[in-house]
Amino acid sequence: DTEVTQTPKHLVMGMTNKKSLKCEQHMGHRAMYWYKQKAKKPPELMFVYSYEKLSINESVPSRFSPECPNSSLLNLHLHALQPEDSALYLCASSQAPQRDTQYFGPGTRLTVL
Amino acid sequence: KNEVEQSPQNLTAQEGEFITINCSYSVGISALHWLQQHPGGGIVSLFMLSSGKKKHGRLIATINIQEKHSSLHITASHPRDSAVYICAVRWPNTDKLIFGTGTRLQVFP
Repeated sequence: DTEVTQTPKHLVMGMTNKKSLKCEQHMGHRAMYWYKQKAKKPPELMFVYSYEKLSINESVPSRFSPECPNSSLLNLHLHALQPEDSALYLCASSQAPQRDTQYFGPGTRLTVL
Repeated sequence: KNEVEQSPQNLTAQEGEFITINCSYSVGISALHWLQQHPGGGIVSLFMLSSGKKKHGRLIATINIQEKHSSLHITASHPRDSAVYICAVRWPNTDKLIFGTGTRLQVFP
């Protein structure tokens, strides 16, 4: 299994809603990543988890809250988002931190109304 | 100035043409990645390079560490190669990838 899965594929939410994005991999990878990508721009790193511990937070607003409950799962909890947070949210994983190819999921396309 | 620069930004080609996409970066790196993103979002990792040259099918990636430059070549291009190609570099001792702005390739039949 060389796949990173993300759910849901699409999400529409209001500014007062609370929702979560989910990412899963069963490759035994120990590093997992959240990226945000706006249209026609490259991905921007948000968070890195290394051995289930948060190792990088790229000064992301607190309305985005990551969680890594175990080595296979990565969540991104969303609360009180703004319309400018609408984007494609990509999850990735790699075998070990600081090296190796990153495998990307298909992304969740988020629209904030 | 971006830390990772790609050229060209947009590229159109006829089916069968040889294509080259370039990537330049500003400081020493531990690895360089070439990624492909089709419309709709999914990103596929094509190559990870720290030196030399790699080949996979019709794709060839090269890197010159001294010149801080990498190229991605596509031989016998096909409409299904139409995508955005992104170069990304990893600085030493970091989990973070720094992305170029991407090259949008369209191959027409």
